[in-house]
Amino acid sequence: KAGVTQTPRYLIKTRGQQVTLSCSPISGHRSVSWYQQTPGQGLQFLFEYFSETQRNKGNFPGRFSGRQFSNSRSEMNVSTLELGDSALYLCASSWDGTGLADEQFFGPGTRLTVL
Amino acid sequence: QKEVEQNSGPLSVPEGAIASLNCTYSDRGSQSFFWYRQYSGKSPELIMFIYSNGDKEDGRFTAQLNKASQYVSLLIRDSQPSDSATYLCAVNRNRDDKIIFGKGTRLHILP
Repeated sequence: KAGVTQTPRYLIKTRGQQVTLSCSPISGHRSVSWYQQTPGQGLQFLFEYFSETQRNKGNFPGRFSGRQFSNSRSEMNVSTLELGDSALYLCASSWDGTGLADEQFFGPGTRLTVL
Repeated sequence: QKEVEQNSGPLSVPEGAIASLNCTYSDRGSQSFFWYRQYSGKSPELIMFIYSNGDKEDGRFTAQLNKASQYVSLLIRDSQPSDSATYLCAVNRNRDDKIIFGKGTRLHILP
């Protein structure tokens, strides 16, 4: 069974640009969550999608957005990039993301560097 | 109070000894608790999850949950150098079903 995949693995952008990251969950998983990981802040929750709907959202500015497609694949977009957006962006999938059956499995991440 | 608190470490443990990692959480209604291991430069990997008070054992790993004290721990028996990593505690926050991560404890197993 294939794990969670994320593309691209590495990305270098300049301030002001925008970026789109992609995540394909484990087959059968319908919940996809996105996290930002930095050395200072640890893993911070961005948002969660389930059945093409954003079900939960963290405390990030509106420059961060996402969507989910009917095949559960998800994308996240960051517009008007800032230096502080440099981080490892992790995608995690789970069966339904609620209750007790919500063990999350992480993808390898996308390392974004903003210059 | 932080929602999920862990000692950042590093925690140094001799090879073969028991490593004890601790985590406290603030949402008393939380139901699900997870331990992830993250090697440097890699993504987190789920080690164990626990839902009920008490102990749950899986190989060399034992998770312990005490909901009354809002405390969850991970014991690693017969520690190996390959156990050296950052261990993340995660809690499913009851009020909105978000999974909140602690900042992790760095564990270093001394050969």
